Amino acid sequence: DIVMTQSPDSLAVSLGERATINCKSSQSVLYSSNDKNYLGWYQQKPGQPPKLLISWASSRELGVPDRFSGSGSGTDFTLTISSLQAEDVAVYYCQQYYNTPSTFGPGTKVDIK
Amino acid sequence: EVQLLESGGGLVQPGGSLRLSCAASGFTFSTFSMSWVRQAPGKGLEWVSGISGSGGDTYYADSVKGRFTISRDNSKNTLYLQMNSLRAEDTAVFYCAKSASGSTTYYFDYWGQGTLVTVSS
Repeated sequence: DIVMTQSPDSLAVSLGERATINCKSSQSVLYSSNDKNYLGWYQQKPGQPPKLLISWASSRELGVPDRFSGSGSGTDFTLTISSLQAEDVAVYYCQQYYNTPSTFGPGTKVDIK
Repeated sequence: EVQLLESGGGLVQPGGSLRLSCAASGFTFSTFSMSWVRQAPGKGLEWVSGISGSGGDTYYADSVKGRFTISRDNSKNTLYLQMNSLRAEDTAVFYCAKSASGSTTYYFDYWGQGTLVTVSS
């Protein structure tokens, strides 16, 4: 199974400042035949189900604010919140869907400083 | 509007059984693979099982293989998870999740609100 790790475990950022979350996979999730990274990012607020933010490592879902961006390739990925808003307080998970079983990172909790 | 509504959770004794259901609406159910993803209290997300749109292909996490069975009834737009030989470590919120394609290994673009399964004596 592909093991996903995230760093940091948690972070506190001032309103309007940048938040950066890292995700690393134990093997590459880049499919060479289509040059796509099989990596997604989810946001989960307390008491709610996860919400898809980004697919294919960098494709933002419709309706997701453009302050959220994803980058990276192969085994190393980053989710950036360019200007943290109060409503962004949540746990963020990365997921690889390169192969079965699909696996998630342990999550990164984002709070306001 | 896509909606996924889970039901069937509850309190069950170790070794017992439970059947979860997920009623889907707002999309062509038979076209998309579906999965169950669980979250133990205060923990992260764990994919449990997935099924193709036709129901012909099923996949399981090692932790539930041989104990859980995923199925679907496309005429009723409903996904199921039969859980047998339940253990304390199966205690979790179980989410029904829609794949964004027909592939069972894909990202999940819609999630239900979840149903809590508690295994305890």
